[in-house]
Amino acid sequence: DAGVTQSPTHLIKTRGQQVTLRCSPKSGHDTVSWYQQALGQGPQFIFQYYEEEERQRGNFPDRFSGHQFPNYSSELNVNALLLGDSALYLCASSSIRGWEQYFGPGTRLTVT
Amino acid sequence: AQKVTQAQTEISVVEKEDVTLDCVYETRDTTYYLFWYKQPPSGELVFLIRRNSFDEQNEISGRYSWNFQKSTSSFNFTITASQVVDSAVYFCALSDFAQGGSEKLVFGKGTKLTVNP
Repeated sequence: DAGVTQSPTHLIKTRGQQVTLRCSPKSGHDTVSWYQQALGQGPQFIFQYYEEEERQRGNFPDRFSGHQFPNYSSELNVNALLLGDSALYLCASSSIRGWEQYFGPGTRLTVT
Repeated sequence: AQKVTQAQTEISVVEKEDVTLDCVYETRDTTYYLFWYKQPPSGELVFLIRRNSFDEQNEISGRYSWNFQKSTSSFNFTITASQVVDSAVYFCALSDFAQGGSEKLVFGKGTKLTVNP
């Protein structure tokens, strides 16, 4: 049973560019949450998707957007990248009938 | 607003020592959940424990134990007889009390634990 998978593992982008990160949830899960973890900090909640809609959102600008597909996988898009967007982006999946969140290994984004 | 404070940035111990990681939280809610996660160098967050605000009983799981004190808004984590494999960053987190599904987690900044042989 595959856990949460994320792609790519690492990514380097230039300021002003756009990036798309991908997440496949654990089998049987229907909810995906995204977190941003800057170096030396704890993860910060970006948003959560359920039934292809944004269910909750943290304090992040509109440059951060997402999408959930019918197979429950999800994408995180960040436009107009800033140096401060450099971070580890973590995806967590869960079931709407449960509470436990399973985290993926993350995508390390570096903005130069 | 919810907030989690982990005052210890880094802790270094020698194998077999006991170590306690501190966590203090702030919330206006009367019902909530508290969590501990472990993050090894690979980056993946590993769930350790969840407690709800109704249950102040301390919990022990093998070498791990947790002390929840609502009066001081603290949820401390103790590792007994630490091992090198315990080296990681440990995060305390807080969430709303969900009626269904998972709620967003508010994390502390983490405590980096290094266990030396």
